[in-house]
Amino acid sequence: NAGVTQTPKFQVLKTGQSMTLQCAQDMNHNSMYWYRQDPGMGLRLIYYSASEGTTDKGEVPNGYNVSRLNKREFSLRLESAAPSQTSVYFCASRFGQGVPQPQHFGDGTRLSIL
Amino acid sequence: DAKTTQPNSMESNEEEPVHLPCNHSTISGTDYIHWYRQLPSQGPEYVIHGLTSNVNNRMASLAIAEDRKSSTLILHRATLRDAAVYYCILSKGGGGSNYKLTFGKGTLLTVNP
Repeated sequence: NAGVTQTPKFQVLKTGQSMTLQCAQDMNHNSMYWYRQDPGMGLRLIYYSASEGTTDKGEVPNGYNVSRLNKREFSLRLESAAPSQTSVYFCASRFGQGVPQPQHFGDGTRLSIL
Repeated sequence: DAKTTQPNSMESNEEEPVHLPCNHSTISGTDYIHWYRQLPSQGPEYVIHGLTSNVNNRMASLAIAEDRKSSTLILHRATLRDAAVYYCILSKGGGGSNYKLTFGKGTLLTVNP
């Protein structure tokens, strides 16, 4: 199984450009998450989708939008990229019901904004 | 949300046990204790979680204090591959909006050959 797949793995943007980060999972999970990780820091939650058709803001949602396209896919969009959004972005998913199930993470998208 | 406190870094020797501590003095009765680790240049990886009782799996053991104000992740025989940042995280049980993970800076574990 591929697990959680993120594309692209690396990207360089200019300030003001827009971009969509893609995430797909093949584990039939209900919940999906987007995090960012800045150097030397832990992960911070940007947005999450507890189930298909719902999305909610996390800790740092400003400057981002998300779309839960279907059960498998959860995309993150930067409408007008800023240097402060230079970071590593991780997508995660989990089954999402009952006793806590672990989150499964992708390998990340390394995004640089010049 | 209840917070956790972990040492910034720890060192161990290969093939020796490692005890990674975590303090969570404001934990509530419904908070689960989760441990994740992050190897260099990878996404976090689930290690173990528990509520009240000690837990074992193929990767590690989780020892939870009787008052639940602290816990310890135990790696029984450290290998070089265990060198990573280890995160201790509290989260509510169940699904939906209650289940979110808040990552701190974690403990950087160095394993010496």
